Amino acid sequence: SAVISQKPSRDICQRGTSLTIQCQVDSQVTMMFWYRQQPGQSLTLIATANQGSEATYESGFVIDKFPISRPNLTFSTLTVSNMSPEDSSIYLCSVEDRGYEQYFGPGTRLTVT
Amino acid sequence: QKEVEQNSGPLSVPEGAIASLNCTYSDRVSQSFFWYRQYSGKSPELIMSIYSNGDKEDGRFTAQLNKASQYVSLLIRDSQPSDSATYLCAVKAVSNYQLIWGAGTKLIIKP
Repeated sequence: SAVISQKPSRDICQRGTSLTIQCQVDSQVTMMFWYRQQPGQSLTLIATANQGSEATYESGFVIDKFPISRPNLTFSTLTVSNMSPEDSSIYLCSVEDRGYEQYFGPGTRLTVT
Repeated sequence: QKEVEQNSGPLSVPEGAIASLNCTYSDRVSQSFFWYRQYSGKSPELIMSIYSNGDKEDGRFTAQLNKASQYVSLLIRDSQPSDSATYLCAVKAVSNYQLIWGAGTKLIIKP
């Protein structure tokens, strides 16, 4: 399966600032996903990022708040903009490998104060 | 609204026993089903995928799929304390290929 890394692993940020999370894969993948997971909750899909096209956002998530870049088949970034304490969460990137299975990066734990 | 349902638990099982985790889904045409294990503070880890009716075994893990009943389960034999985690069921939507996630079942293996 693909090996996925994320940076940073954790961060504490002040409200009103922005944080960019990087996701790097060791192989070329078509589909990458960004999720958010609140403590004790299941996963919520933020957007799907395919190389060469605009990211597709799920209901409740907008590009101005969560801009995503996907410059090539091994890399993507998610920016959390104008942060508020409600954005405190774990942010996960995942990739679809072999056309069926999704594998996750280690996650970024974000705390907004 | 496509849904995946799991009992949130916690499910407490003695060490060495069989742990049985269940999941039902609403989209009758779904074809791909997945079980993930998530330890506290870690990201989800894929442990089983199943696409056909019946059983699929991998070591101590067996996934069972019954499409007619829209039901998928995960059995863990000879449960170990290291199996204590939250188990997430995910179903791939046919319409957009996204995963629909259950809420997860917290499993506790008692020594």
